[in-house]
Amino acid sequence: TQLLEQSPQFLSIQEGENLTVYCNSSSVFSSLQWYRQEPGEGPVLLVTVVTGGEVKKLKRLTFQFGDARKDSSLHITAAQPGDTGLYLCAGARDNFNKFYFGSGTKLNVKP
Amino acid sequence: GAVVSQHPSRVICKSGTSVKIECRSLDFQATTMFWYRQFPKQSLMLMATSNEGSKATYEQGVEKDKFLINHASLTLSTLTVTSAHPEDSSFYICSARDQLPTSGRALNEQFFGPGTRLTVL
Repeated sequence: TQLLEQSPQFLSIQEGENLTVYCNSSSVFSSLQWYRQEPGEGPVLLVTVVTGGEVKKLKRLTFQFGDARKDSSLHITAAQPGDTGLYLCAGARDNFNKFYFGSGTKLNVKP
Repeated sequence: GAVVSQHPSRVICKSGTSVKIECRSLDFQATTMFWYRQFPKQSLMLMATSNEGSKATYEQGVEKDKFLINHASLTLSTLTVTSAHPEDSSFYICSARDQLPTSGRALNEQFFGPGTRLTVL
């Protein structure tokens, strides 16, 4: 059983479209991270959110941590082919503790 | 940024042999490293937490005698897959947490290695 469920599992869109990926759990997290992973490589950290309701922006990416710190979303505006990859959320239940990864969302942006 | 290396990047072995994978933090010290396993088209599953100078902490369902972890220094953790079988074939990834993060880096930020592809024939 996955502690963090992501939706959708797969997403194939055209360049220029917007999309949102969701990361949900019944557990409360002290912090939550989003990663992007290319095939055959390790994940690369995009953002860390720690406060309920927090919103962070990274260029065309907007991350939100739910008020109750049980869920998060990643919104990409005007997706580009370079955004293609596996997006993973990861949550820690205690400060400075180990992170558990979500089920992953595979994004394909077609030119 | 912080760099974590893994060696080897790929390994193919026969069933029944043991394979050692190294994880090194190249430009920072890590008292804590994590080992993950990732099956094709799936997410990362945390296997164990490697603690420098003490025993590793294994996640539920992970056999500690099967996956031996040694964290003998602040920059090196090793994972040995003992008596490997085809079902152990997977992508093994380590991560390391900076013991003394510099400005702009969070204490609980973990840096991932490039992964090791293990294939057991």
